[in-house]
Amino acid sequence: ETGVTQTPRHLVMGMTNKKSLKCEQHLGHNAMYWYKQSAKKPLELMFVYSLEERVENNSVPSRFSPECPNSSHLFLHLHTLQPEDSALYLCASSQKHSRGETYEQYFGPGTRLTVT
Amino acid sequence: AQSVTQLDSHVSVSEGTPVLLRCNYSSSYSPSLFWYVQHPNKGLQLLLKYTSAATLVKGINGFEAEFKKSETSFHLTKPSAHMSDAAEYFCVVSRDSGTYKYIFGTGTRLKVLA
Repeated sequence: ETGVTQTPRHLVMGMTNKKSLKCEQHLGHNAMYWYKQSAKKPLELMFVYSLEERVENNSVPSRFSPECPNSSHLFLHLHTLQPEDSALYLCASSQKHSRGETYEQYFGPGTRLTVT
Repeated sequence: AQSVTQLDSHVSVSEGTPVLLRCNYSSSYSPSLFWYVQHPNKGLQLLLKYTSAATLVKGINGFEAEFKKSETSFHLTKPSAHMSDAAEYFCVVSRDSGTYKYIFGTGTRLKVLA
């Protein structure tokens, strides 16, 4: 496997279910991101981890819970979601940012989530 | 605060004609700017990036963009469109000081007509 992979690619869940999204990067990066992509809205940054430490949390509801056990893996645990949470969830990775340097992100193919 | 505006939500061109996708940004700092492309059911792929070196940036698949500070623009161009260029394009700005926050535009959907 190369690049950034995400599983599952599609997920349908009821509002009372608990599920997890998985992301894995094979690029040697040490920063990882979760984004939400909804129709007709800009990409929304949800969480950022750098060296397994959460560095950004953009006021995301607690029904979304991230986990970063190491620099190659990132999870998004989901529970009691709402229909408006249906979206494409994208994972990305990059090099760890240093002062004066911003690196490009590499994205996975996304998980299409439908909440019924 | 940083922001980015993609001036056209949809652009249609004929195959073989030039492509122009417009992006204006607002930044209090020296910005880093990126263009990404997203094909249907795929993730975003980096086309090119500007990080305060040359103002004319060349990317993959024949795309290029010019950073114009006086106009706060970073428009994406390609001399000759190909059918495979049909996709959604995103302009992105990030503050060039080690922040992990990338601000995405709302996207421009490019349609290429045969």
